[in-house]
Amino acid sequence: EAGVTQFPSHSVIEKGQTVTLRCDPISGHDNLYWYRRVMGKEIKFLLHFVKESKQDESGMPNNRFLAERTGGTYSTLKVQPAELEDSGVYFCASSQSSGGETQYFGPGTRLLVL
Amino acid sequence: QKEVEQNSGPLSVPEGAIASLNCTYSDRGSQSFFWYRQYSGKSPELIMSIYSNGDKEDGRFTAQLNKASQYVSLLIRDSQPSDSATYLCAVRQSGAGSYQLTFGKGTKLSVIP
Repeated sequence: EAGVTQFPSHSVIEKGQTVTLRCDPISGHDNLYWYRRVMGKEIKFLLHFVKESKQDESGMPNNRFLAERTGGTYSTLKVQPAELEDSGVYFCASSQSSGGETQYFGPGTRLLVL
Repeated sequence: QKEVEQNSGPLSVPEGAIASLNCTYSDRGSQSFFWYRQYSGKSPELIMSIYSNGDKEDGRFTAQLNKASQYVSLLIRDSQPSDSATYLCAVRQSGAGSYQLTFGKGTKLSVIP
């Protein structure tokens, strides 16, 4: 069974540009989560989808971040325009059902904003 | 603000010894507790979950939970060099519909051959 995959693995962009990160959850997992780890800090929650609906977006830092999950399969996280403080590692995780406790993480996308 | 605290380390133990990793959390209503292992540049990998007070053993790993003290720990017996990684403590917050995990910064473990 394939795990959570994320694309790209690395991205280097300039301040003010737009970047779109993609996450493909484990097949059949309704729950999809986005997390972020900035340098020197802990991994922090961004938002949670159940199928195509946003269940909890309390961790989204501001309106420059837009997450979508059309069709309830893969998800994208767009940052527009990117700022220096957006640099970090963006993780995606998925779990099997709303009661599914185990969140399986992807390898992350390393974003560097210059 | 709900927090999870871990010693950042590095924690160095000799091969074959017991490694003890500790974590405290601030949200008294937390129900679910997880230990993830993360090798450098890789994804966090779940190694233990624990939901009730006491000990839970899985192979060389034992998770311990004390909700009264808001404390969770991970013991690794017979530590191996391959156990060298960062160990992340994660807590699922209380509250209806809330499935987000709150992480500590992680403890870096180094097992010396």
